Amino acid sequence: GESVGLHLPTLSVQEGDNSIINCAYSNSASDYFIWYKQESGKGPQFIIDIRSNMDKRQGQRVTVLLNKTVKHLSLQIAATQPGDSAVYFCAENNQDDKIIFGKGTRLHILP
Amino acid sequence: ETGVTQSPTHLIKTRGQQVTLRCSSQSGHNTVSWYQQALGQGPQFIFQYYREEENGRGNFPPRFSGLQFPNYSSELNVNALELDDSALYLCASSLEEGLYEQYFGPGTRLTVT
Repeated sequence: GESVGLHLPTLSVQEGDNSIINCAYSNSASDYFIWYKQESGKGPQFIIDIRSNMDKRQGQRVTVLLNKTVKHLSLQIAATQPGDSAVYFCAENNQDDKIIFGKGTRLHILP
Repeated sequence: ETGVTQSPTHLIKTRGQQVTLRCSSQSGHNTVSWYQQALGQGPQFIFQYYREEENGRGNFPPRFSGLQFPNYSSELNVNALELDDSALYLCASSLEEGLYEQYFGPGTRLTVT
């Protein structure tokens, strides 16, 4: 069935270091992937997306990597800041092009 | 802020009651999707409305229903509330149906007692 999962429920990173959040997906037919950030009390916020014809995409301080061979997606955040503390979700499209979310990883920034 | 608004912010209902949640989409967006987010979980897709028609549905029973109005705002209705319906209900609007960036509202926190 459709599922998007994450390897680690919580990730603690020193302020200023780079963060890497990983995600495994199971639907080999998915061709669109998104990373969302959700802060406490708010709805998910779009960070970056990538389509299956690419293996890397960069934004401001963020990079998404897609490895279709092993069905793995990662989000890299450079020079992590306190404002990056949040829950991060990866998501993918299903066969009807609806967005399906995984369970999320909480990113905790250490001072 | 995304420009997507939801009301009410919080709501407490009793098991068996009915509830209506509302969402105003971002200006220019004709597609609204609804999600249920249980505590500690990722959002689960309920259904999507595109130009006032249901345009896809997740694994939710028929007591979850919706509407979209000509101004593209939307309602989510849940009948015969159950304790497990307690969750954050999120709506997201996008420019068109299909794989477009979604903008989420802040959600409505529903508690069923």
